[in-house]
Amino acid sequence: GENVEQHPSTLSVQEGDSAVIKCTYSDSASNYFPWYKQELGKRPQLIIDIRSNVGEKKDQRIAVTLNKTAKHFSLHITETQPEDSAVYFCAASRVRGSARQLTFGSGTQLTVLP
Amino acid sequence: EAQVTQNPRYLITVTGKKLTVTCSQNMNHEYMSWYRQDPGLGLRQIYYSMNVEVTDKGDVPEGYKVSRKEKRNFPLILESPSPNQTSLYFCASGGEADTQYFGPGTRLTVL
Repeated sequence: GENVEQHPSTLSVQEGDSAVIKCTYSDSASNYFPWYKQELGKRPQLIIDIRSNVGEKKDQRIAVTLNKTAKHFSLHITETQPEDSAVYFCAASRVRGSARQLTFGSGTQLTVLP
Repeated sequence: EAQVTQNPRYLITVTGKKLTVTCSQNMNHEYMSWYRQDPGLGLRQIYYSMNVEVTDKGDVPEGYKVSRKEKRNFPLILESPSPNQTSLYFCASGGEADTQYFGPGTRLTVL
């Protein structure tokens, strides 16, 4: 099955700096890659996603890049703010039988220091 | 308001006592799924359902059952809970666009 590895597991940055989280996946059939943000005690919420026919996608301070050949994708957060502190999960989605299955990375605890 | 709801939000039970966690969505989504979240392991899929009466195992289905008798509901059943099922459980639903929306979570403790 699909295996998604996510690094680093923890990341601390100064407010205003950039943060980068990287993920690799194993199944070349995966073609949808969402990123979720989970604040303490809350549910995961989608922040950005990318499909395999696109190499990069941007939404204000957040961007995601995808390298299909190398099977890795990354989340970039610029001008970080304290409210960006949370656990971030990457995921890879592929068709399994008649369904789409989402496999998550193990998460990155991002701390933005004021 | 479009949402996924779960009940109960917190549950403490004892080994072997059957329990059900309910999940309901009002977005007319065909796809629903259950995940468990454990420290350092991320979110692991337990079961998913593509539509009414269509369910399939995820990555960690042992010890769990599900049913999908109606489109909006997807309950998670633990017939004989054990301490290793102590976890935070999330239900999610999704439409054709692949995006999944998560419920608020159920924190289960099995003593």
